[in-house]
Amino acid sequence: ETGVTQSPTHLIKTRGQQVTLRCSSQSGHNTVSWYQQALGQGPQFIFQYYREEENGRGNFPPRFSGLQFPNYSSELNVNALELDDSALYLCASSPTVGANTEAFFGQGTRLTVV
Amino acid sequence: ELKVEQNPLFLSMQEGKNYTIYCNYSTTSDRLYWYRQDPGKSLESLFVLLSNGAVKQEGRLMASLDTKARLSTLHITAAVHDLSATYFCAAIPMNRDDKIIFGKGTRLHILP
Repeated sequence: ETGVTQSPTHLIKTRGQQVTLRCSSQSGHNTVSWYQQALGQGPQFIFQYYREEENGRGNFPPRFSGLQFPNYSSELNVNALELDDSALYLCASSPTVGANTEAFFGQGTRLTVV
Repeated sequence: ELKVEQNPLFLSMQEGKNYTIYCNYSTTSDRLYWYRQDPGKSLESLFVLLSNGAVKQEGRLMASLDTKARLSTLHITAAVHDLSATYFCAAIPMNRDDKIIFGKGTRLHILP
């Protein structure tokens, strides 16, 4: 167990709806990253938050947004859901930013859009 | 832009055999990771390789890194059924500290 917890574990939404996924980072970690993993693919970087500010973003449209709270937990919000948003969403926490730190992944949220 | 390619993408092998998974990356990277993922589960960190010539071993798995060739390998010795999983190679782009770039994964199926 990594100490990174995500909720909910499974979710079914209808196309066009909005969804919020949550992540509690490991104790002492101030950096949270979000990844999308489609079936049969490797995870794709969505964005990273460091001390409540966005620190970097991947190639995802603006309807993917995030937030980090003072306790360093984080939310991923997706608006106007599309069928292709169906995936496993992984949260990873790190002690800080920088290439020399290791990321620890949560168990993921399986989102199905119908 | 950094790209990570693994091969093979699918591997079925008998218990007791040896095999190697290859990971090529397209541009210089600060570090190379290997992860394991069981079906429906999250990613488990196996190895972090930082420098040219780095070799790490854990049980029947051994990972190595050749930064000049931009190649990492994950070698499986005397495979056992419990090693059946998907293995991902991943790297961090130079001058970026935010994202990890993953390969597509190698789905390993070990037959008893």
